[in-house]
Amino acid sequence: ILNVEQSPQSLHVQEGDSTNFTCSFPSSNFYALHWYRWETAKSPEALFVMTLNGDEKKKGRISATLNTKEGYSYLYIKGSQPEDSATYLCAFKVTGANNLFFGTGTRLTVIP
Amino acid sequence: GAGVSQSPSNKVTEKGKDVELRCDPISGHTALYWYRQRLGQGLEFLIYFQGNSAPDKSGLPSDRFSAERTGESVSTLTIQRTQQEDSAVYLCASSLHSRVATDTQYFGPGTRLTVL
Repeated sequence: ILNVEQSPQSLHVQEGDSTNFTCSFPSSNFYALHWYRWETAKSPEALFVMTLNGDEKKKGRISATLNTKEGYSYLYIKGSQPEDSATYLCAFKVTGANNLFFGTGTRLTVIP
Repeated sequence: GAGVSQSPSNKVTEKGKDVELRCDPISGHTALYWYRQRLGQGLEFLIYFQGNSAPDKSGLPSDRFSAERTGESVSTLTIQRTQQEDSAVYLCASSLHSRVATDTQYFGPGTRLTVL
């Protein structure tokens, strides 16, 4: 079992604030890094998949960066809105494996 | 198109009973995965199917757990003689090409299993 760590565990921000979370993963045998958003009572929704060191992805107000050499990824949310409230999961894939190794997530609450 | 669906959405059972959880993947997705999330923990891999074969069962926690897939479509996860530690949300995911780095797994809404 590979250790994928996410911080913080939970976060409360005011509407309009920008925020970011961290995902740390083993830097050896790296294949891909995924970010998912999981709202209560819904399916986890794929946000990004990144494979190359230095990758940056953006989707609306949400963006992510990847550093495979030091083993971390950041997820940024600009101008948080109440609908951004969810648990954000990162998942790591190693070379040769088919499954994803997940962190425990960061639970974001955006206060109107 | 339709996403991944799972049934039932909730299941309450008594310790010692058997349960079956069903997953309908996205049509055309050859890869199918089962994960579970126990309270306070991250998603934990259980089993992976490529077509109807399960080349990776390494995550199944005990021989009480089994899964099958038929017609390269529907999958059933069976838990025999359920225990309280089996209580969790069981998630199914499917994808097109598991061996491609950018392959994305699409998840169903999960089955919340409670063992009393």
